[in-house]
Amino acid sequence: QKEVEQNSGPLSVPEGAIASLNCTYSDRGSQSFFWYRQYSGKSPELIMFIYSNGDKEDGRFTAQLNKASQYVSLLIRDSQPSDSATYLCAVNIMETSYDKVIFGPGTSLSVIP
Amino acid sequence: DAGITQSPRHKVTETGTPVTLRCHQTENHRYMYWYRQDPGHGLRLIHYSYGVKDTDKGEVSDGYSVSRSKTEDFLLTLESATSSQTSVYFCAIGSHLNSPLHFGNGTRLTVT
Repeated sequence: QKEVEQNSGPLSVPEGAIASLNCTYSDRGSQSFFWYRQYSGKSPELIMFIYSNGDKEDGRFTAQLNKASQYVSLLIRDSQPSDSATYLCAVNIMETSYDKVIFGPGTSLSVIP
Repeated sequence: DAGITQSPRHKVTETGTPVTLRCHQTENHRYMYWYRQDPGHGLRLIHYSYGVKDTDKGEVSDGYSVSRSKTEDFLLTLESATSSQTSVYFCAIGSHLNSPLHFGNGTRLTVT
């Protein structure tokens, strides 16, 4: 069974610090990688997606992808209390002619004022 | 926000009864997904659809069936609900292969 794993946390960082969230995946054929944020009691919302090796930056968020190591990470700079949420890593896998997206268990982040 | 509506938002039902959850989209997206979310397990894929009448199983499909007779509607049916199916169910849509997903607001189902 193809899997996506994340450090479960909870991860606590002080306000203004860098939060680092990690994800590994088992399917070497995966091409698309996503990070979602989910506040308690709400639905997941997309933060970043990345398709190519390297870094992709969007504001305070940076996604990093290393396909050789099957590793994707999310860095949050200048962390704010409003960043406190669960972060879900998602990866596409191809098991038939069509891909599907599977999620890791999520990492809970708490930003301490 | 992407136009996705899930109904009902909350439902309490008894063990052994059939239950149908509805996902309706106005985005004309090809791909639709049903996930369940439980503490400690994250989001797990139940079934997905890649077009009208084209569906496939996900990781946790036992006890669930789906139908997609129109682009905009994707139905999830629990033929005979069990307490293990108590969960929050999310529908998601995607425009094409490898595209990000957009989620509905979820349905909280309790099976007593």
